[in-house]
Amino acid sequence: DGGITQSPKYLFRKEGQNVTLSCEQNLNHDAMYWYRQDPGQGLRLIYYSQIVNDFQKGDIAEGYSVSREKKESFPLTVTSAQKNPTAFYLCASSWSANEKLFFGSGTQLSVL
Amino acid sequence: DQQVKQNSPSLSVQEGRISILNCDYTNSMFDYFLWYKKYPAEGPTFLISISSIKDKNEDGRFTVFLNKSAKHLSLHIVPSQPGDSAVYFCAAGPGFGNEKLTFGTGTRLTIIP
Repeated sequence: DGGITQSPKYLFRKEGQNVTLSCEQNLNHDAMYWYRQDPGQGLRLIYYSQIVNDFQKGDIAEGYSVSREKKESFPLTVTSAQKNPTAFYLCASSWSANEKLFFGSGTQLSVL
Repeated sequence: DQQVKQNSPSLSVQEGRISILNCDYTNSMFDYFLWYKKYPAEGPTFLISISSIKDKNEDGRFTVFLNKSAKHLSLHIVPSQPGDSAVYFCAAGPGFGNEKLTFGTGTRLTIIP
């Protein structure tokens, strides 16, 4: 089955710790995205990548980092600089920046 | 500043009746609009879209209406079915380009059998 896999579903972070959220897609999509959802708010774009080895900051990139070394993978690292990391994180991909988004099922990150 | 607003957090509709989900936007540069549907424990899935050159787009039981002068978007589901129970997000952007999309907060639709 083609799709987007996010892991883990639940993740806990200790103060001062970096954590990495995994996102893998086997749809052969060029573009990939990371969104954050907080209660009562819409999805907000953290980072996006339109092609391998290239990525751009979204609206709320501070405290996050990404890499795009492989077409199918777009991991997101939540660094200790992100002071409010507790949120639901969604990864998405699309054939191109103008095509519809396909989303993973998300990772809930909480701070211990 | 919430540029895309879904003012109804939840909506309940009897099975077989029409469901109408509303979305308002404030940015006059927005000219491309989408609806996504999300079931629990799953990611959102694309439902339907419309560009500002049209005021209506249909896909089966789903119709999206755009009122540009009122900056208002609505999704009609007719007839509503139990499988339509989900959270619906609207999104808007200034032209094509997923990185430019602004998402609403979502409306939870419950279809009552």
